Amino acid sequence: QVQLVESGGGVVQPGRSLRLSCAASGFTFSSYGMHWVRQAPGKGLEWVALISYDGSKKSYADSVKGRFTISRDNSNNTLYLQMNSLRDEDSALYYCAKDRMASTGAFDYWGQGTLVTVSS
Amino acid sequence: QSVLTQPPSVSGAPGQRVTISCTGSSSNIGAGYNVHWYQQLPGTAPKLLIYNNNNRPSGVPDRFSGSKSGTSVSLAITGLQAEDEADYYCQSYDSSLSGWVFGGGTKLTVL
Repeated sequence: QVQLVESGGGVVQPGRSLRLSCAASGFTFSSYGMHWVRQAPGKGLEWVALISYDGSKKSYADSVKGRFTISRDNSNNTLYLQMNSLRDEDSALYYCAKDRMASTGAFDYWGQGTLVTVSS
Repeated sequence: QSVLTQPPSVSGAPGQRVTISCTGSSSNIGAGYNVHWYQQLPGTAPKLLIYNNNNRPSGVPDRFSGSKSGTSVSLAITGLQAEDEADYYCQSYDSSLSGWVFGGGTKLTVL
């Protein structure tokens, strides 16, 4: 069965960095686009970033462009999100999500999320 | 303010039919981009409910259906059950933003 397990969240000061990981299993990781989606406490969903199946295409929400970098290691079935220059408004539960196909934007499997809190 | 507009809340009694609307613009739904719907039960990750406007993933009951007209889409839930109480989100691609956008979410209460 498909499993996505995020890790790497925690409490970090504004301006610092954090790297999130998402370990995937139960499907051919290298065949699917992958996304990060976040949800601030008590708020709605916000798409953060996409990486294509082979890592050649990446796109970002305007709110994180230039600060966050999405990457993947297909040999280890792992997705990453490098978050730099963190701001208070980046505090959220970060989900990794599998695209239903290449990059349709339909997320058919989600992890349980890893919580990032940006606070001084 | 979300790019896709949903009502904050809807409610219905068990067995009834409810609909949740999602209104976009010419850069997303109106441009022909597919819309997807997610159900988020309290304290859990979202679950794909409808993809490509009106398709149900395997395992999703046929009580859930999607429709699209112009710059708006709707999610219909028939035969409402207590376990349907959740937050529902629509999602599409926006060409102006060059990324995916979600609606603000609709909280469904089963009376």
